[in-house]
Amino acid sequence: NAGVIQTPRHKVTGKGQEATLWCEPISGHSAVFWYRQTIVQGLEFLTYFRNQAPIDDSGMPKERFSAQMPNQSHSTLKIQSTQPQDSAVYLCASSSATEQFFGPGTRLTVL
Amino acid sequence: AQSVTQPDARVTVSEGASLQLRCKYSYSGTPYLFWYVQYPRQGLQLLLKYYSGDPVVQGVNGFEAEFIKSNSSFHLRKASVHWSDSAVYFCAVSAGINTNKVVFGTGTRLQVLP
Repeated sequence: NAGVIQTPRHKVTGKGQEATLWCEPISGHSAVFWYRQTIVQGLEFLTYFRNQAPIDDSGMPKERFSAQMPNQSHSTLKIQSTQPQDSAVYLCASSSATEQFFGPGTRLTVL
Repeated sequence: AQSVTQPDARVTVSEGASLQLRCKYSYSGTPYLFWYVQYPRQGLQLLLKYYSGDPVVQGVNGFEAEFIKSNSSFHLRKASVHWSDSAVYFCAVSAGINTNKVVFGTGTRLQVLP
């Protein structure tokens, strides 16, 4: 079991560019979560899917951020027109019940 | 809705000393409680969890936590810390075992001095 896989581990974009982050959940897990982590804000919930359906996106910024789960083996978080304040570590987690298993995160740096 | 408070942003202890990291939760029903640890440049890893039964739960690496319902607390303890325990520790609560969504506290950064 490779655990939750996130790619890339690091991404640097210029202001205004698009960034797509990938997450491969643990096989058999029905729920996938996205979080954003910064020094200032801490760990922020963004959105989650259960059985590929979006359940709660209450933490997603209304503009520029979108998440999808086209199949049970991966989810993507897309940020359009990235801004310096989007710089953070984006964590993905998967779960079969309540306990969540986290990936190592993608560190996004927007210059 | 549930919430979690970790009142100590930073804790510093000497190696070999005992440790307690505080966590208080807010939830009107029966909570499901977790402690996670995050080492530098890694994701969160589960230390221990409480669903029901014995209020003192044992976790990995000698950690334990005690659920005290009357105090709405779930403090994390360790009898003797090691320098490798330096990390950020998150307390979390869920409304139910099958609800998936978990609410995390703001974390406590533990520094263990050699």
